[in-house]
Amino acid sequence: AQTVTQSQPEMSVQEAETVTLSCTYDTSESDYYLFWYKQPPSRQMILVIRQEAYKQQNATENRFSVNFQKAAKSFSLKISDSQLGDAAMYFCAYGDRDDKIIFGKGTRLHILP
Amino acid sequence: DSGVTQTPKHLITATGQRVTLRCSPRSGDLSVYWYQQSLDQGLQFLIQYYNGEERAKGNILERFSAQQFPDLHSELNLSSLELGDSALYFCASSVVSGSGELFFGEGSRLTVL
Repeated sequence: AQTVTQSQPEMSVQEAETVTLSCTYDTSESDYYLFWYKQPPSRQMILVIRQEAYKQQNATENRFSVNFQKAAKSFSLKISDSQLGDAAMYFCAYGDRDDKIIFGKGTRLHILP
Repeated sequence: DSGVTQTPKHLITATGQRVTLRCSPRSGDLSVYWYQQSLDQGLQFLIQYYNGEERAKGNILERFSAQQFPDLHSELNLSSLELGDSALYFCASSVVSGSGELFFGEGSRLTVL
């Protein structure tokens, strides 16, 4: 069975600095998706970034980028120029081609002014 | 606004009772997912439907059941409720099978007293 592990329950970063959130996963599949979702205090789940496993190029979305290491089954999220609005719970997620998507336990990110 | 509608937003009930949570997916989305998020926990995958048929099953209790109707809305039925069932229940939908991208509703907050 696939698993997603986020080893950092909480992290803090100074405003305008860069922070990296870690995620590892386990799967025997070769074709899958990886995601980072953000959950602010409003509890709404918001997709931050998406990576297809067959693509070697790391996905980027403005200040958000990933470091996807397929062989190591690692998928970290880098947030550059951190802003107060980035404070949230961040979930790493794995999705297979059958649409089953599982989530890690999350990392709570605090932004220090 | 993700386009996914969940009702009710909040629900308070007593142990032993039964409740039904409703979800309307985004227009055109055929897949519906249900997730449970307990306090400060990650999202636990419960079940997924695709065009009316059950597609994947996660850690869904036998006291829980779900279905997707011909108009594609879905209902999650929770019976013989226990205190530990108190959680935020999310519905999500996706546009096509294998896309891997979920659009979440705002969740239904269930409190069991």
